[in-house]
Amino acid sequence: QSVLTQPPSVSGAPGQRVTISCTGSSSNIGAGYHVHWYQQLPGTAPKLLIYVNNDRPSGVPDRFSVSKSGTSASLAITGLQAEDEADYYCQSYDTSLSGSIFGGGTKLTVL
Amino acid sequence: QVQLVQSGAEVKKPGSSVKVSCKASGGSASNFAIDWVRQAPGQGLRWMGRIIPMFGTTNYGQKFQGRLTITADDSTSTAFMELSSLRPEDTATYYCVYTTESTGLFTDDAFDIWGQGTMVTVSS
Repeated sequence: QSVLTQPPSVSGAPGQRVTISCTGSSSNIGAGYHVHWYQQLPGTAPKLLIYVNNDRPSGVPDRFSVSKSGTSASLAITGLQAEDEADYYCQSYDTSLSGSIFGGGTKLTVL
Repeated sequence: QVQLVQSGAEVKKPGSSVKVSCKASGGSASNFAIDWVRQAPGQGLRWMGRIIPMFGTTNYGQKFQGRLTITADDSTSTAFMELSSLRPEDTATYYCVYTTESTGLFTDDAFDIWGQGTMVTVSS
């Protein structure tokens, strides 16, 4: 059971917009800690996708954006492409656990 | 750009220990951190612990307290993760992760760069 809750799966057609939620609590997201997002393509290591306040590593398109409110955060992907099919994880810090935490992951299927 | 290269796959017996290495090349910041994250087959990511090599300080996840030791050798830019008293449920891919500008042991840093992963299988 992950401390951060994500939907197990989402799907969308090419060109559409999808969102992936990440729900935490007052000891992590609600305490003001940053939320970061990772993309894991099949059979590969995760890679940092977007961090802090919509900061993106070099090469990550601006089709990916995040928002945060209260104890939750969301990743939005616009203009969905086949290459976006992957697992997505949110990550933050939990003050009760004194360590980093991940969401359970969301599998994105491009129809 | 820093690159991380991890040691190869391991097969271990229950009750034994495993030590995985992670060598950084391509430059480093003075205040970087190394974390270890594992992923059981078909499962999600779980953070294990962190070390700040400049100080040698560590922070371990509660689930791994007492079984996990993370060390770093500055002279060879290599970090190590040792997990003891292995159980079949420790079977997973173990990733080392590099944070270029760490803000401390107990922080919400993003994990910039990931190693390729090391598969550890625990089986009798």
